[in-house]
Amino acid sequence: DAKTTQPNSMESNEEEPVHLPCNHSTISGTDYIHWYRQLPSQGPEYVIHGLTSNVNNRMASLAIAEDRKSSTLILHRATLRDAAVYYCILSASNTGKLIFGQGTTLQVKP
Amino acid sequence: EAQVTQNPRYLITVTGKKLTVTCSQNMNHEYMSWYRQDPGLGLRQIYYSMNVEVTDKGDVPEGYKVSRKEKRNFPLILESPSPNQTSLYFCASRRLQGGSEQYFGPGTRLTVT
Repeated sequence: DAKTTQPNSMESNEEEPVHLPCNHSTISGTDYIHWYRQLPSQGPEYVIHGLTSNVNNRMASLAIAEDRKSSTLILHRATLRDAAVYYCILSASNTGKLIFGQGTTLQVKP
Repeated sequence: EAQVTQNPRYLITVTGKKLTVTCSQNMNHEYMSWYRQDPGLGLRQIYYSMNVEVTDKGDVPEGYKVSRKEKRNFPLILESPSPNQTSLYFCASRRLQGGSEQYFGPGTRLTVT
């Protein structure tokens, strides 16, 4: 199974953009790149996903490198409610299995 | 409201006493799975099911059983719980198509003494 590598923690100031990086150098051609986040005492929550092209939704943007070996989750204006553990995950298109790594703990300062 | 529900949310039990954690989804999803979350180890998949009567092992299936008799339900069974199964458990569901969003339940915190 392909793995992802993320920084253990990051800090941001409120109202500023945040770029959360993820490396997935062993990604296969059919693996989707997913991002989920987990707030304290809650289950993981879907943020965004993509395959090859950059993606935008109301929560965030996902920038995928041309070789697909890395991606970046972009929160355009961080709020205190965005403080969470963010997981970058690869999803095999045939099995749908999600392999969670350790994630990045995002701290947002007021 | 689209949701995944789990019961119970909290459970304290003793070693060897069989238990079942229920999971139900109301989105008609084909795919359902169970994860456990432990400090420092992240979320690890226990079992998954791609449709009714179709189940398969995830990364840490030992000591667990599942069944998928109905599309909406995917119970997790611990026939003889042991202390190393003390953990936070999440059920999840999604459509079968690749790249679909996965919905997670609120979690079940299990303590086995």
